[in-house]
Amino acid sequence: QKEVEQNSGPLSVPEGAIASLNCTYSDRVSQSFFWYRQYSGKSPELIMSIYSNGDKEDGRFTAQLNKASQYVSLLIRDSQPSDSATYLCAVRRRSGGYQKVTFGTGTKLQVIP
Amino acid sequence: DGGITQSPKYLFRKEGQNVTLSCEQNLNHDAMYWYRQDPGQGLRLIYYSQIVNDFQKGDIAEGYSVSREKKESFPLTVTSAQKNPTAFYLCASSGQGSETQYFGPGTRLLVL
Repeated sequence: QKEVEQNSGPLSVPEGAIASLNCTYSDRVSQSFFWYRQYSGKSPELIMSIYSNGDKEDGRFTAQLNKASQYVSLLIRDSQPSDSATYLCAVRRRSGGYQKVTFGTGTKLQVIP
Repeated sequence: DGGITQSPKYLFRKEGQNVTLSCEQNLNHDAMYWYRQDPGQGLRLIYYSQIVNDFQKGDIAEGYSVSREKKESFPLTVTSAQKNPTAFYLCASSGQGSETQYFGPGTRLLVL
């Protein structure tokens, strides 16, 4: 089982719709969770971080965390063509004396005008 | 303007050649990281450094070497022992007590 799993997509949604991106992780002691957006040929940029169970909203983005189910999701409301990118889920846990961050392979989102 | 810079943007390596990728940050971050990204795969950790003059191997360190002589700089050398070096290389940093990693623009390494 992969440490962090994401559906590779592509996930296609029409402009203005809600895009729902999902991520599961295998290590129950994981502590922090991050969503990055990566445009083709570019480096990842942080969208949101979440540390506690529940929802965290920032503009059109909402991150949802359920530690019991080992599940974190990202909702994008009013999706725009500029949201078309690959979204990487990252999970942090302590590994020895190091805070290890493991990345998923990403979900490609396509927003259709 | 604070940030992380990587150079060059593109790098070409010949067989048997060692090449060095530059990573500089002016964010006053203590920790720095090198990742490799291949198509369809997640980011894989090569090396990381939490303080100056100290660094640790990540998951795929074989064929790579690093140094951390200054807080601002964390260069990565891809040695001739790395048989499949073609990839997108990303440098990241994080501040003390911060869990969030911020990425540089990346270097794309190609083999001639």
